[in-house]
Amino acid sequence: EVRLVESGGGLVQPGGSLRLSCAASGIPFSSNWMHWVRQAPGKGLVWVSRINTDGSSADYADSVKGRFTISRDNAKNTLYLQMNSLRAEDTAVYYCARGHCSSTSCHFDCWGQGTLVTVSS
Amino acid sequence: SYELTQPPSVSVSPGQTASITCSGDKLGDKYASWYQQKPGQSPVLVIYQDTKRPSGIPDRFSGSNSGNTATLTISGTQAMDEADYYCLAWDISAGVFGGGTKLTVL
Repeated sequence: EVRLVESGGGLVQPGGSLRLSCAASGIPFSSNWMHWVRQAPGKGLVWVSRINTDGSSADYADSVKGRFTISRDNAKNTLYLQMNSLRAEDTAVYYCARGHCSSTSCHFDCWGQGTLVTVSS
Repeated sequence: SYELTQPPSVSVSPGQTASITCSGDKLGDKYASWYQQKPGQSPVLVIYQDTKRPSGIPDRFSGSNSGNTATLTISGTQAMDEADYYCLAWDISAGVFGGGTKLTVL
């Protein structure tokens, strides 16, 4: 069974930091690009970041560039998102997703259940 | 930055055909994928690379993409298809989602 399980969400003050994790099972984790997608309460999906199979390359949405860092540990089948300098507008459910990527596009065939990050004083 | 535009809502009667559009500059030159999200659930891939259906997705779901518009078509819409639908495309190295369309089956 394919499973992606996020953890690490919670309440954090503006300016604070949080690290999300996504544990993968049932998939060849080291062979897949992995992504983070977020969804603010009552709002739509927003792509956040992606990382290639060996962790040597990553891309970010402009809204998080310089504040968030995506990484992975293939030995532990785990994806991470380090979030620094958090703002109220970062409040959202954060999903990890497996990406099937070509040279020009990706699609996401497997999603986790999401973890809620709330940035508030 | 690249933008994808979807209608906020679409209504359809059971058994009829629903069409949800996604518009963006030269979108037909890119691959589009579509995601279904029901309340309180994670998104589910229903169409990828414009026209392909993942295993387990009913064949009443189909897709097309040409010019500036990608379209998700649901033939013989069922009550269980009521959900939010999002398109996704890529602009260089960044993913871009449409704003989402709420499909109501009434």
